[in-house]
Amino acid sequence: AQSVSQHNHHVILSEAASLELGCNYSYGGTVNLFWYVQYPGQHLQLLLKYFSGDPLVKGIKGFEAEFIKSKFSFNLRKPSVQWSDTAEYFCAVIRYGNNRLAFGKGNQVVVIP
Amino acid sequence: DVKVTQSSRYLVKRTGEKVFLECVQDMDHENMFWYRQDPGLGLRLIYFSYDVKMKEKGDIPEGYSVSREKKERFSLILESASTNQTSMYLCASSRPADSNTEAFFGQGTRLTVV
Repeated sequence: AQSVSQHNHHVILSEAASLELGCNYSYGGTVNLFWYVQYPGQHLQLLLKYFSGDPLVKGIKGFEAEFIKSKFSFNLRKPSVQWSDTAEYFCAVIRYGNNRLAFGKGNQVVVIP
Repeated sequence: DVKVTQSSRYLVKRTGEKVFLECVQDMDHENMFWYRQDPGLGLRLIYFSYDVKMKEKGDIPEGYSVSREKKERFSLILESASTNQTSMYLCASSRPADSNTEAFFGQGTRLTVV
């Protein structure tokens, strides 16, 4: 069965610190990769996506992610977080020909002012 | 503006009741999904559908069924609600993976079974 792994479910850091969240998936073939964010009390929103091309993708609010095919990874980064980045972050993967959109367990990120 | 609409934001049902959760999308998407979201467990896929009348089990289908009679509507059915089905339920829709587009989510339905 395909799976998506996110580690360090709870992350607490101070404003201006750098953030990196890991995401690994367990199956081969062509995939599309996503990071979604859920701010407190709000619905899921797309943060960024990777389909093909440059493996370093930039999303909204200063986030970026790097796809490393050999490592089956799609890690999310932000050089300097703000209090407003407090949210839960989910990695998601969908495979060509399968159409099953699978999510990781999420990372709860708390940024302390 | 694209839209995925779930019929209820909050529902309270009694144990043993049959519960219907409705989801409608206006984007002519082929794929539709039902997830439940629980703290620390992320989004777990219950069922998905890639076409009208087509469905596939997700990771936790037990106790649930689905119906997709029309392309825009995907219903989740709890045949006999139980307290362990208290959760946030999320519906999503998307085009096929090879269309290189993302999924869009509804606002969610918070179901409490008492």
